[in-house]
Amino acid sequence: GENVEQHPSTLSVQEGDSAVIKCTYSDSASNYFPWYKQELGKRPQLIIDIRSNVGEKKDQRIAVTLNKTAKHFSLHITETQPEDSAVYFCAVGESWGKLQFGAGTQVVVTP
Amino acid sequence: DGGITQSPKYLFRKEGQNVTLSCEQNLNHDAMYWYRQDPGQGLRLIYYSQIVNDFQKGDIAEGYSVSREKKESFPLTVTSAQKNPTAFYLCASSIGWGGETQYFGPGTRLLVL
Repeated sequence: GENVEQHPSTLSVQEGDSAVIKCTYSDSASNYFPWYKQELGKRPQLIIDIRSNVGEKKDQRIAVTLNKTAKHFSLHITETQPEDSAVYFCAVGESWGKLQFGAGTQVVVTP
Repeated sequence: DGGITQSPKYLFRKEGQNVTLSCEQNLNHDAMYWYRQDPGQGLRLIYYSQIVNDFQKGDIAEGYSVSREKKESFPLTVTSAQKNPTAFYLCASSIGWGGETQYFGPGTRLLVL
């Protein structure tokens, strides 16, 4: 089955700096790569996703890049703000299968 | 994700008791899922259902059971066989099966008395 590794497990950044989280996967047939944000005690919420036919996608301060050859994808948050503090999960999906989630990254943005 | 509801928000279980967590969606989604989340941990799949009247075991199904008699409902029963049930339980749904965005409910926190 699919194996998803997410790094780092914790990330502390100064407000205004950029944050980058990376996930690697094992199955070259995987074709869907969403990112979720989960605030303490709340539900995970989709913030951005990308499919295998696209190399990069951007939505305001958030971007995701995909390297299919190397089997990794990354979440980039620019101009971080205190409200970006949360746990971020990557996930990997196959057209015939379920989503496999990474272990999560705790992001702390300090003013 | 506003179309997925879970109840109750908090649930207390006594020793040897079965408890049922409710999950309802009005998004007309075919697929539904149950995840368990322990403190500081990721999401582990308990059961999933690709379509009504069908469901499959996930990675940690032991001690749990589900049913999918209606498209909009996917209740999870935590049985007495689940010896460590304290966790945050999340239900999710997607429009179809395979590589689709999953939308999550607000979760149920289960505590053991």
